[in-house]
Amino acid sequence: EVQLVESGGGLVQPGGSLRLSCAASGFTFSNYWVNWVRQAPGKGLEWVANIKQDGSEQYYVDSVKGRFTISRDNAKNSLYLQMSSLRAEDTAVYYCARTTVTTHYYYGMDVWGQGTTVTVSS
Amino acid sequence: DIQMTQSPSSVSASVGDRVTITCRASQGLSSWLAWYQQKPGKAPKLLIYAASTLQSGVPSRFSGSGSGTDFTLTISSLQPEDFATYYCQQANSFPHTFGQGTRLEI
Repeated sequence: EVQLVESGGGLVQPGGSLRLSCAASGFTFSNYWVNWVRQAPGKGLEWVANIKQDGSEQYYVDSVKGRFTISRDNAKNSLYLQMSSLRAEDTAVYYCARTTVTTHYYYGMDVWGQGTTVTVSS
Repeated sequence: DIQMTQSPSSVSASVGDRVTITCRASQGLSSWLAWYQQKPGKAPKLLIYAASTLQSGVPSRFSGSGSGTDFTLTISSLQPEDFATYYCQQANSFPHTFGQGTRLEI
């Protein structure tokens, strides 16, 4: 079964750090770009970051640049999001999702995890 | 950043109705747009990619159209399970922004 499973969420104080993980199974992880998307309570979806198949390119939304780092380990079929200097506004459900991008086509995010909840509060 | 504006923000409709949701981009996207459906407490589900291509397994009552800055998602005959929130997302340039969502109430 094609699957993404997030872990690592929890309660953290403002200014603290947290590392999220996303374990892939059922497909060749190294063939795909992978994204982090978050959703604050009662709010819409926000794209956070993504990383190329070989990890050579990473992109971020401005609000997390310099605080979050996306990485991957293709040997372990895993995606990570290292979050530091956390703020209350980072409170959200964080999803990982795979996507296929070619020169001419964006195939959308077709496989999503179930999400992991991050709460930033004192 | 490219801003994505969906309209309406919410809509009420009945089973069997035809519903259209619009997504407007602040810059041209070509066809680098996807549509997602999200039900409460669940992860989003991909419906349409490349503006008009139906994702495998998605019912044919869903369709997408448009290019450039104006896009539409149409549900031809609403079913009870279509109650959800719908999002567009652009992938023309980073960050890959989402629209604010359209809540569809049956």
